[in-house]
Amino acid sequence: DTAVSQTPKYLVTQMGNDKSIKCEQNLGHDTMYWYKQDSKKFLKIMFSYNNKELIINETVPNRFSPKSPDKAHLNLHINSLELGDSAVYFCASSRGQGALELFFGEGSRLTVL
Amino acid sequence: GENVEQHPSTLSVQEGDSAVIKCTYSDSASNYFPWYKQELGKGPQLIIDIRSNVGEKKDQRIAVTLNKTAKHFSLHITETQPEDSAVYFCAAWYSSASKIIFGSGTRLSIRP
Repeated sequence: DTAVSQTPKYLVTQMGNDKSIKCEQNLGHDTMYWYKQDSKKFLKIMFSYNNKELIINETVPNRFSPKSPDKAHLNLHINSLELGDSAVYFCASSRGQGALELFFGEGSRLTVL
Repeated sequence: GENVEQHPSTLSVQEGDSAVIKCTYSDSASNYFPWYKQELGKGPQLIIDIRSNVGEKKDQRIAVTLNKTAKHFSLHITETQPEDSAVYFCAAWYSSASKIIFGSGTRLSIRP
């Protein structure tokens, strides 16, 4: 009965490859997010979707493309992976755009070699 | 701009002692200040929050204080226990950008 689940938990890949991380929430929330946490633990928002619509798109390279097939899912696809993409990626959800408590998944650690 | 500064970056306290983590924010319009705890290998989890219409809030051994004039807010943990060891993040809601901005985190270690 995990609230926000993301897969895979660990991902090791070569530079130049394309990879995806999937996220699902069973809380009935309308808003979902992707955050990136670097090696120094900085948590930075990348994208936010509300009811499948993109509402926040930070200055993230075009190689990152989020997709929300429905409001319970938000996937992240990364093309042409670079060394600097290595990080832990967290999916999160909230009841709505104005609802402020974030519920995080356990993270997906991406290592680019 | 949107900025939340957090200090210290690491903190080690003796079990049973108190721990204090401090944050400052830049947008005077911010009105919501949550604190998240991140245990090893887990995602951050909300532990307490405060809104701008109050100056202090307590929940058992945890308290938050807010000084809107100075744009400071702090987390206080009393009678620390080993399970309090984690990374703690302060955050502020920036209504102009409709997003929560996180501080840089404090790694708290509790010495037995």
